[in-house]
Amino acid sequence: QQQVKQSPQSLIVQKGGISIINCAYENTAFDYFPWYQQFPGKGPALLIAIRPDVSEKKEGRFTISFNKSAKQFSLHIMDSQPGDSATYFCAAKVSGTASKLTFGTGTRLQVTL
Amino acid sequence: EAQVTQNPRYLITVTGKKLTVTCSQNMNHEYMSWYRQDPGLGLRQIYYSMNVEVTDKGDVPEGYKVSRKEKRNFPLILESPSPNQTSLYFCASSFNTLDGYEQYFGPGTRLTVT
Repeated sequence: QQQVKQSPQSLIVQKGGISIINCAYENTAFDYFPWYQQFPGKGPALLIAIRPDVSEKKEGRFTISFNKSAKQFSLHIMDSQPGDSATYFCAAKVSGTASKLTFGTGTRLQVTL
Repeated sequence: EAQVTQNPRYLITVTGKKLTVTCSQNMNHEYMSWYRQDPGLGLRQIYYSMNVEVTDKGDVPEGYKVSRKEKRNFPLILESPSPNQTSLYFCASSFNTLDGYEQYFGPGTRLTVT
């Protein structure tokens, strides 16, 4: 059973557009929600993360929106660029653990010219 | 350079032949993990370690073993590999921050079991 459900599976966005990737979870014991970016042939790299006591976090063109009551969080990429083309994973960490992360299934983003 | 290294990067083996994938980090991180990545399934945690001699099962531990005898090393052992363990494997090390948690991944090991 997938504890973190991610959608869409793939996404095509024009350059300059907004990319939106959504994740939903059931386990209320999650207390940390990171997003990872993975380029082909590379390991995932931390992009941005949020704690459930914050509703939004912005870093440059990347924003996480968090809705605790709905148990959903999303990644918004503003002014999407071809260099953003990658696979994105949401994840969630269980409270009280230091390294037990559960990942979503990933979204392959393609930004076209 | 701060990094997580894995060896080998590519491995083709046969069913039942024991193998070890090594993982090493030079950042003095307490926590380390192993994941497997499969199409459509994302990354699934196999085992994780909170410190030397302290390990615990992740979501898909069957068929794998780990050990943490030194802080920097966290090898993944497949005692009797089977074709369903054909996958892309990532090692990661991590530490707590004021805001939460940061995890660094290695470059991956692509394993094929025939």
